[in-house]
Amino acid sequence: EAEVAQSPRYKITEKSQAVAFWCDPISGHATLYWYRQILGQGPELLVQFQDESVVDDSQLPKDRFSAERLKGVDSTLKIQPAELGDSAMYLCASSLGGPGNTIYFGEGSWLTVV
Amino acid sequence: QKEVEQNSGPLSVPEGAIASLNCTYSDRGSQSFFWYRQYSGKSPELIMFIYSNGDKEDGRFTAQLNKASQYVSLLIRDSQPSDSATYLCAAGAGSYQLTFGKGTKLSVIP
Repeated sequence: EAEVAQSPRYKITEKSQAVAFWCDPISGHATLYWYRQILGQGPELLVQFQDESVVDDSQLPKDRFSAERLKGVDSTLKIQPAELGDSAMYLCASSLGGPGNTIYFGEGSWLTVV
Repeated sequence: QKEVEQNSGPLSVPEGAIASLNCTYSDRGSQSFFWYRQYSGKSPELIMFIYSNGDKEDGRFTAQLNKASQYVSLLIRDSQPSDSATYLCAAGAGSYQLTFGKGTKLSVIP
């Protein structure tokens, strides 16, 4: 069964350092999402791509977060500098796109900022 | 602001009983509704989706949608200890995004 691949699974970084997460969506899925999930909360959308274009990054803290999907396939989410409040699980998801299309999540990347 | 509200629980049910999980949403433009199950430390996995008013059954799971009341529910029949997890309700609209609730923690007691 096709899966959304993410790496690294776990990352511990010091405050003010840079960190990056990588995601490879299910083959053929045009829409890619990065969500952030803080412990005890539901996932919150950070950025949505349609192919290589950003559809929505209204909730992305652009002073420190950046995301790209240069060739419309895999994607990178970067945080620089990391802050203590960034500790969370970063979830990549993908879908075929279109109303009602199911969104499939990767295993997530756990970030701990110390 | 689109919101999806869920009772955080925990909801405790005995093994073999029916677990009932509820969700309300604020955006009347929402067209699709999803239930995800999330085990502790894991990512969400899709259980069911529903688009039309009424009931949709899949094995032990039944999703119910009432668009007039902006209400979605998930029934789990013959609950098993392995069903113990957090259940996330999500609503989707035309932008192909999902807005998630905070989740309801279900505990099935053997």
